[in-house]
Amino acid sequence: EAEVAQSPRYKITEKSQAVAFWCDPISGHATLYWYRQILGQGPELLVQFQDESVVDDSQLPKDRFSAERLKGVDSTLKIQPAELGDSAMYLCASSSGGERYNEQFFGPGTRLTVL
Amino acid sequence: AQSVTQLGSHVSVSEGALVLLRCNYSSSVPPYLFWYVQYPNQGLQLLLKYTSAATLVKGINGFEAEFKKSETSFHLTKPSAHMSDAAEYFCAVSERSGGYQKVTFGTGTKLQVIP
Repeated sequence: EAEVAQSPRYKITEKSQAVAFWCDPISGHATLYWYRQILGQGPELLVQFQDESVVDDSQLPKDRFSAERLKGVDSTLKIQPAELGDSAMYLCASSSGGERYNEQFFGPGTRLTVL
Repeated sequence: AQSVTQLGSHVSVSEGALVLLRCNYSSSVPPYLFWYVQYPNQGLQLLLKYTSAATLVKGINGFEAEFKKSETSFHLTKPSAHMSDAAEYFCAVSERSGGYQKVTFGTGTKLQVIP
């Protein structure tokens, strides 16, 4: 069964360092999402891609976060510099996309701890 | 703007008892509604979805939810709780926005099952 892959699963870093997370969506899925989930809260959308284009990054802290999906397939989310408040689970999801709802499939997430 | 409210951040039930997790939504257009389950340190898994067909939706693991437009509710139920149901549950709403689907998650309800 096709799955969304994410790496690393766990990342510990010190504040002011740079970190990067990788996501490989299900093959053929046009829409890719990055969410941040703070402990005890629901996922919050950071950025949504349709193919290689960003369609929503309104909640992405652009002074320190960046995301790319250069070939419209896999994607990288970067934080530079990391802050203590960035400690969270970062979830990637993909769907076949379009105007009609298509189910989102989630990866296992990357647990980030900033010391 | 769409939103989701989950009443009760923690719910405890005895094994074999009825599970009821509450979700109310706000949406300016007919929404798509979902329930997801999340086990510790894992991504989200879709339990069930409402996409304007039948108002009573059956999902995996014996869960079901009923869409009630008059009450703007989409409560999740299961007749008999099992120990393996202990997890966190998220309600979500999706609306079409600018040619794509935008999903908003609730803050989650952690379900504890007492033996």
